[in-house]
Amino acid sequence: AQRVTQPEKLLSVFKGAPVELKCNYSYSGSPELFWYVQYSRQRLQLLLRHISRESIKGFTADLNKGETSFHLKKPFAQEEDSAMYYCALRLYGGATNKLIFGTGTLLAVQP
Amino acid sequence: DAGVIQSPRHEVTEMGQEVTLRCKPISGHDYLFWYRQTMMRGLELLIYFNNNVPIDDSGMPEDRFSAKMPNASFSTLKIQPSEPRDSAVYFCASSRPAASTDTQYFGPGTRLTVL
Repeated sequence: AQRVTQPEKLLSVFKGAPVELKCNYSYSGSPELFWYVQYSRQRLQLLLRHISRESIKGFTADLNKGETSFHLKKPFAQEEDSAMYYCALRLYGGATNKLIFGTGTLLAVQP
Repeated sequence: DAGVIQSPRHEVTEMGQEVTLRCKPISGHDYLFWYRQTMMRGLELLIYFNNNVPIDDSGMPEDRFSAKMPNASFSTLKIQPSEPRDSAVYFCASSRPAASTDTQYFGPGTRLTVL
């Protein structure tokens, strides 16, 4: 079955420290993965997608098919990075077009 | 485009009352999704539509929940009767056709409190 796992509910780091938010997936096909961010009481926003291979707000994520992982990383955390982060796997084919979300990780960056 | 629009932004009601949440997707988007977000369960997909037709409603918790999409620019999620455990933030999202590499765009959510 398709599944996205984010093992950490809460990750607390100090400003300037490196950050790694873990995401593992289970999917038999070719995965299409995303990271969404939700700042306090705001809507979910797309942060980045693996096919773009981009860096947004200093964040990067590399798809590792061997480890079925798509971890989100940032070398130096900022206080404004504090938010809820969701990893998502896209399923599509025919009329199917949906995202499977992980349970989310709350990142708290301490001053 | 104003993005996905949801109303109301906040709703407080009493147990047993009917609740209707509304969503206007982004123009040109073929897919519309309803999600529920709680602390305990995270973000759950309730139902989604393609070209106004429900594709997958397996996430709808029970018969008290129903969703409709009468046209391409409007959808409703109804809870009747509401219960305290329905208290959550309900998000609507929309996206382009499945062949597109685009992803989902979320509305601001409706925060529902059932007393």
